[in-house]
Amino acid sequence: GQQVQQSPASLVLQEGENAELQCNFSSTATQLQWFYQSPGGSLVSLLSNPSGTKHTGRLTSTTVTKERRSSLHISSSQTTDSGTYLCATASSGSWQLIFGSGTQLTVMP
Amino acid sequence: DTTVKQNPRYKLARVGKPVNLICSQTMNHDTMYWYQKKPNQAPKLLLFYYDKILNREADTFEKFQSSRPNNSFCSLYIGSAGLEYSAMYLCASSRRGPNERLFFGHGTKLSVL
Repeated sequence: GQQVQQSPASLVLQEGENAELQCNFSSTATQLQWFYQSPGGSLVSLLSNPSGTKHTGRLTSTTVTKERRSSLHISSSQTTDSGTYLCATASSGSWQLIFGSGTQLTVMP
Repeated sequence: DTTVKQNPRYKLARVGKPVNLICSQTMNHDTMYWYQKKPNQAPKLLLFYYDKILNREADTFEKFQSSRPNNSFCSLYIGSAGLEYSAMYLCASSRRGPNERLFFGHGTKLSVL
């Protein structure tokens, strides 16, 4: 079945630095979503990006479907960006969104 | 209102006792999901309702039940809790399927003693 690997597992940055999060998946995905979870908060969908490049605010996601990878770029990180970022994919015809284990981001002031 | 509400936030259960978790959404979404998340693990889909049709994952088929009396509510039922059921249970909904944006609740943290 589909497997999703995220890297790095954790990342510590100084405020203002950029973050690059990676997501690799084992099978062709027709859906890819990035989620954010603040400490003690619920999962919030950030971007749905099954292919190509999408921007929203300081976030840019690039998914290369044939290479089975996606990245999430956070520009000019802020302390409030700290939390866990999860990538999830679904294969064609599947209703199951498979999650990676996440990247724990800590932005220091 | 784009929130998914889950009750309770924390649940303590005894081994062998039943557990019932509740989820609601008022977005008129067709699909509601239940995920299980354990520390340092990825969320794992347990089951989902598309409209009135329940779909359960093969490896959790006998462990979890669910009901959806109307479009807004969905429950997760454990008939006899075991220690291995201790986890965070996340409810989510989407307008149709997983190709749409998923909205998650805060989760219910279940501790089985």
